Amino acid sequence: EVQLVESGGGLVQPGRSLRLSCAASGFTFDDYAMHWVRQAPGKGLEWVSGISWNSGSIGYADSVKGRFTISRDNAKNSLYLQMNSLRAEDTALYYCAKDGWGPICSSTSCYPYYFDYWGQGTLVTVSS
Amino acid sequence: EIVLTQSPGTLSLSPGERATLSCRASQSVSSSYLAWYQQKPGQAPRLLIYGASSRATGIPDRFSGSGSGTDFTLTISRLEPEDFAVYYCQQYGSSAFGQGTKVEIK
Repeated sequence: EVQLVESGGGLVQPGRSLRLSCAASGFTFDDYAMHWVRQAPGKGLEWVSGISWNSGSIGYADSVKGRFTISRDNAKNSLYLQMNSLRAEDTALYYCAKDGWGPICSSTSCYPYYFDYWGQGTLVTVSS
Repeated sequence: EIVLTQSPGTLSLSPGERATLSCRASQSVSSSYLAWYQQKPGQAPRLLIYGASSRATGIPDRFSGSGSGTDFTLTISRLEPEDFAVYYCQQYGSSAFGQGTKVEIK
């Protein structure tokens, strides 16, 4: 059974940093690209960042470019999102999602194909 | 950048009725690279349809997807109580999601 378990969310002041983690199990982690998708309270879905199987291709939404860094550790079956210079508009539930296509991203910007499995999310609240 | 527009915003129907949800892209979507997701309150999204018309694993056959180019449709043939939720479309190869259609009980 595929499982994605996010952690690391919490309440943080504007301008501070937070690191999210996603522990994956039930599939061969390094056979797939992985992504972070967020959902602000009461709003829709927003793709945040993606990474190919070997970290050779990485991409970010314009809204987080230069502030967030995605990474993965295939030996630990884990995905990470380092979030710096956090803003109030970053407040959201952050989901880890597995790319259903395979190891590569759909473009040089590492946009996703589709998401066949999602974690339950970790809530990030940016407020003073 | 491709924009996906879903309509209607809210669909009020009764159990047993047919639901037809639309997703329109601002540019042609290559190779039917479109997916649909269902999200219930307090839950993560769940993949329903990929490749515009292929059902994901475990998805009942009352869910079907169709369309190509710029116009795509998700059809729920007979609504079950558990189908009342928000539905999103997503285009592969871009960061685009539609804004969602809420299917609510009439």
